[in-house]
Amino acid sequence: GAVVSQHPSWVICKSGTSVKIECRSLDFQATTMFWYRQFPKQSLMLMATSNEGSKATYEQGVEKDKFLINHASLTLSTLTVTSAHPEDSSFYICSARDPMWGQGGRREAFFGQGTRLTVV
Amino acid sequence: SQQGEEDPQALSIQEGENATMNCSYKTSINNLQWYRQNSGRGLVHLILIRSNEREKHSGRLRVTLDTSKKSSSLLITASRAADTASYFCATGDATNKLIFGTGTLLAVQP
Repeated sequence: GAVVSQHPSWVICKSGTSVKIECRSLDFQATTMFWYRQFPKQSLMLMATSNEGSKATYEQGVEKDKFLINHASLTLSTLTVTSAHPEDSSFYICSARDPMWGQGGRREAFFGQGTRLTVV
Repeated sequence: SQQGEEDPQALSIQEGENATMNCSYKTSINNLQWYRQNSGRGLVHLILIRSNEREKHSGRLRVTLDTSKKSSSLLITASRAADTASYFCATGDATNKLIFGTGTLLAVQP
């Protein structure tokens, strides 16, 4: 299957600083990527849909200025958590749509390995 | 946003037994997918069932879908210790935006 790589796998930062998380599709082009957030022992909550070359679409309740998403190329989307606070500590996961999406009914999403953010 | 509930929240079984997880959702869907997540890791796609399908098999996995009840079930047969993980259902719309259920934590005792 297609490979999605997330970097870093974990990061610790001081309160008030910004952190950038990268999501790369390694062997395919991803026009659409998705960013999720997961609290311990909870489900994934969709934060936003990242579209190459255009603005991201945020889910209700997600602060656009807090979580900046940039999808400047067909293989890279970035999520920047600005002015991070301890309550932003979470597991952030990205996914990319199957490059063959829609063909033969393929609707699979490929996920990165996740980034654990701890804000101290 | 979260689509629906999964039950049970946690399930502990012995190796060799079957494990059944249920998922309910709220809105109309294009497809329903099941994913597996090992602790602290990303998700791995297991199986997809389209809204016009009722049952699907893949190896030891069997998925059913009842759109009238807005529910799905995942059956893992002959479970192994390596099946220990969290399992999530996710409903997909026409844009493949996935909304995840609450998840079931499966523990398979050797």
